[in-house]
Amino acid sequence: GAGVSQSPSNKVTEKGKDVELRCDPISGHTALYWYRQRLGQGLEFLIYFQGNSAPDKSGLPSDRFSAERTGESVSTLTIQRTQQEDSAVYLCASSLQRGGRGFTDTQYFGPGTRLTVL
Amino acid sequence: GESVGLHLPTLSVQEGDNSIINCAYSNSASDYFIWYKQESGKGPQFIIDIRSNMDKRQGQRVTVLLNKTVKHLSLQIAATQPGDSAVYFCAEIGLSGGYQKVTFGTGTKLQVIP
Repeated sequence: GAGVSQSPSNKVTEKGKDVELRCDPISGHTALYWYRQRLGQGLEFLIYFQGNSAPDKSGLPSDRFSAERTGESVSTLTIQRTQQEDSAVYLCASSLQRGGRGFTDTQYFGPGTRLTVL
Repeated sequence: GESVGLHLPTLSVQEGDNSIINCAYSNSASDYFIWYKQESGKGPQFIIDIRSNMDKRQGQRVTVLLNKTVKHLSLQIAATQPGDSAVYFCAEIGLSGGYQKVTFGTGTKLQVIP
């Protein structure tokens, strides 16, 4: 597709349930990022993928959060045993990063998944 | 630690006036800066960028200024329109461990008064 897509757009779940959020980056983009945005707040970095590996997982708030990426394309963010504090918009971004290491470039964002934990 | 912060959480401007949104950063090693616009219910959208070897860059109705001496970044919007109402984020990008590290500011909400 032309841009980053995310699904579902909205997810309502009960406390304690597991959820999976999906991100389809722009074709050819090797870098992929997940962020969390609470209502009225800024972006909180969660994890970064270069290809299928994650050199930076420093933002994952707890071991309930995990992410994977396959085929240097789609990524899924999984939240286990969801808590009400997990309610937020989860944003995915991708960038070209042709150079891999030592290269900085623009991130393009998807529309986000709004997660509500009841 | 490293941080990027905004001086004004909310900015109200009259339609047609110019808007200036400010951002302070603390990592002098950051070499790339981006301004994003986020409308309600949408993801951040790229507006304009600037690399650290420049101090000014102009786009259509937008200008970004970079002052590395005081680690300050600003976004100027000329002739502000109602469609400019949104939250604006600055982002600083640098290398950490050889990989790209991005730090976002907390955001400034721009309200355009018709």
